Amino acid sequence: RKEVEQDPGPFNVPEGATVAFNCTYSNSASQSFFWYRQDCRKEPKLLMSVYSSGNEDGRFTAQLNRASQYISLLIRDSKLSDSATYLCVVNPNTNAGKSTFGDGTTLTVKP
Amino acid sequence: DGGITQSPKYLFRKEGQNVTLSCEQNLNHDAMYWYRQDPGQGLRLIYYSQIVNDFQKGDIAEGYSVSREKKESFPLTVTSAQKNPTAFYLCASTKTPQGNTEAFFGQGTRLTVV
Repeated sequence: RKEVEQDPGPFNVPEGATVAFNCTYSNSASQSFFWYRQDCRKEPKLLMSVYSSGNEDGRFTAQLNRASQYISLLIRDSKLSDSATYLCVVNPNTNAGKSTFGDGTTLTVKP
Repeated sequence: DGGITQSPKYLFRKEGQNVTLSCEQNLNHDAMYWYRQDPGQGLRLIYYSQIVNDFQKGDIAEGYSVSREKKESFPLTVTSAQKNPTAFYLCASTKTPQGNTEAFFGQGTRLTVV
C-alpha cells in the first residue's frame, strides 16, 4: 500500500461545478499536510496548507480528518483555469525530513 | 527575487554519458530535494539534503549522485548506471530541515537520452 494515495481521475466537470478530491495517508503520525497544483509540464506550486481546523481560500476548502487519515480539497464554482493536477503532500514533522507526495488527481474543467 | 533555479531546461544525453543537473536557491533554505517525474506519474524522491555536507537517499537513488558543498547548491548527476534516465527532474527546497513547510520548486529539467 502506498503511503499517500489519491484517486488519479481524471475528473471531468463543467464550469461552475463543485468537485472534491480525497487523499488518504497511512502514517498516523503525520503532522503537516498540503495541497499543490501542477499545470501540464510545469513545476508544482503550493495551493494551500491543510490545518486541523480546516481552512478556506476563496473557492477552495481543505479539510483534515485524522481519525480516518485523509485530507480533502473542495473546489466550488469551477473555472476553466482550475484544470490541472492536484497533488497532496504529507509530512511527519520528524527529523527524517521527508515529505511524501501523492501521484496526483487530474481535473479538467470544460465549458 | 528569491527563488530556486534549475538549469538547463532541456538536456540531451547519449547513452553511457554522465550528466549533471544544476539547482541553486537563494532562499536561505536548509533542505533541498531532487524528484523525478515520469509522464502521467507522481513525484519520486531521488535524494535529499537537510544540511550542508550531508544528504540521504530517497526512494530511487540508484544511478544518481549528489553533493551539497554549499547551502545554496544541490547538483544532481545522472550516471550511466541509470538505465532509464529520460524524465522530468524537479529540484525543491524547504526552509526547515524537516521539510514540513512549503516546498519551492525550480522549473525543472527535461532529460532525454538519445
